[in-house]
Amino acid sequence: AQSVSQHNHHVILSEAASLELGCNYSYGGTVNLFWYVQYPGQHLQLLLKYFSGDPLVKGIKGFEAEFIKSKFSFNLRKPSVQWSDTAEYFCAVNNNAGNMLTFGGGTRLMVKP
Amino acid sequence: DAMVIQNPRYQVTQFGKPVTLSCSQTLNHNVMYWYQQKSSQAPKLLFHYYDKDFNNEADTPDNFQSRRPNTSFCFLDIRSPGLGDAAMYLCATSRRLGSRSNQPQHFGDGTRLSIL
Repeated sequence: AQSVSQHNHHVILSEAASLELGCNYSYGGTVNLFWYVQYPGQHLQLLLKYFSGDPLVKGIKGFEAEFIKSKFSFNLRKPSVQWSDTAEYFCAVNNNAGNMLTFGGGTRLMVKP
Repeated sequence: DAMVIQNPRYQVTQFGKPVTLSCSQTLNHNVMYWYQQKSSQAPKLLFHYYDKDFNNEADTPDNFQSRRPNTSFCFLDIRSPGLGDAAMYLCATSRRLGSRSNQPQHFGDGTRLSIL
């Protein structure tokens, strides 16, 4: 079975600070990796995804993530956060064999203006 | 434009009284999912439909059922809601292409279910 760990449950940053949210997964085979964001009162939205190719993927709103296969990691980064990035961020994984998407526990980010 | 639409946004029901949540999509995706998300927790997959094929997660309680009458609609039925079933219920869709399941899921706004 696959699992996803997000080690930071709550992160508080000031505007313009750099962000890195950790995500580690456990699955030995080929995986597809996603980061979703959930703004307060809104639905889950896809930030970015990795299927294959360049391990550094760029998503919307200036976010990027790097897949490091040897570390089973897919950390999310943004060089300079804004107050509007306040949200909950979920890392998710599925394998090519099935539809099941496994989510991490989420990281709640608060950006202070 | 909303692509995955869940109704209602908020639902209140009584303990033990059956309730149905609905989801519709305009994406023509062949896979539809239902998740349960409790406060401060990750979404947990309950089941999904791949076209008409129903796939139940092993730990989904029997109290939860689903129907998919056509491509666009999917329903979540909770036969006898208990207090522990109060949660946000999320519907999602994706397009599965052959054996590969790497298409992202598109989520609706969710239905927040409260149990009195």
